[in-house]
Amino acid sequence: NAGVTQTPKFQVLKTGQSMTLQCAQDMNHEYMSWYRQDPGMGLRLIHYSVGAGITDQGEVPNGYNVSRSTTEDFPLRLLSAAPSQTSVYFCASRDTGTANRYGYTFGSGTRLTVV
Amino acid sequence: GNSVTQMEGPVTLSEEAFLTINCTYTATGYPSLFWYVQYPGEGLQLLLKATKADDKGSNKGFEATYRKETTSFHLEKGSVQVSDSAVYFCALSDLNNFNKFYFGSGTKLNVKP
Repeated sequence: NAGVTQTPKFQVLKTGQSMTLQCAQDMNHEYMSWYRQDPGMGLRLIHYSVGAGITDQGEVPNGYNVSRSTTEDFPLRLLSAAPSQTSVYFCASRDTGTANRYGYTFGSGTRLTVV
Repeated sequence: GNSVTQMEGPVTLSEEAFLTINCTYTATGYPSLFWYVQYPGEGLQLLLKATKADDKGSNKGFEATYRKETTSFHLEKGSVQVSDSAVYFCALSDLNNFNKFYFGSGTKLNVKP
């Protein structure tokens, strides 16, 4: 089925470790983004991309890096994991031209625990 | 700037009760408005939307009307089911800023049999 695929679904890291959360979409959407979801705080935008080779920061970018080498993939890298990065991470994509009619398509999330 | 404010939860209802989840927004332009639903352990799914004032979005028995005069987009359902238990997010997208959606903090709904 077409959509947004995130891997892994669950991950436990030790403080200081690095890792990459993967996100891929097969809908040819130009726009992709990463959110984190914390209790009582809703969704907060980490980074986003409006197309291959173009990325920008969201509300909470510190401690995270992104790149967009292809339209399909938008990985999120944690450089040195901290307990404050324990969260559920969602990747989302949308078509720029129809965003106001169709909104986002979300992945199923990655639950990350940093110990 | 743009922002979305939702009523705090959790909201606990008995099956077949009437549901209202309040959502108000602040926007500099003419936003489109959305409700997303997140079932336990899953990502967010688009529930309904409205793209201009006085539009009514509807899906699965849920409705919301875009009220420009009160800057509101309240979610309603006449008779909830246990399967409606989820977290509901109100969101807006600004025509002047395609790059960002603005989400509310979410409202958890618990429906008891």
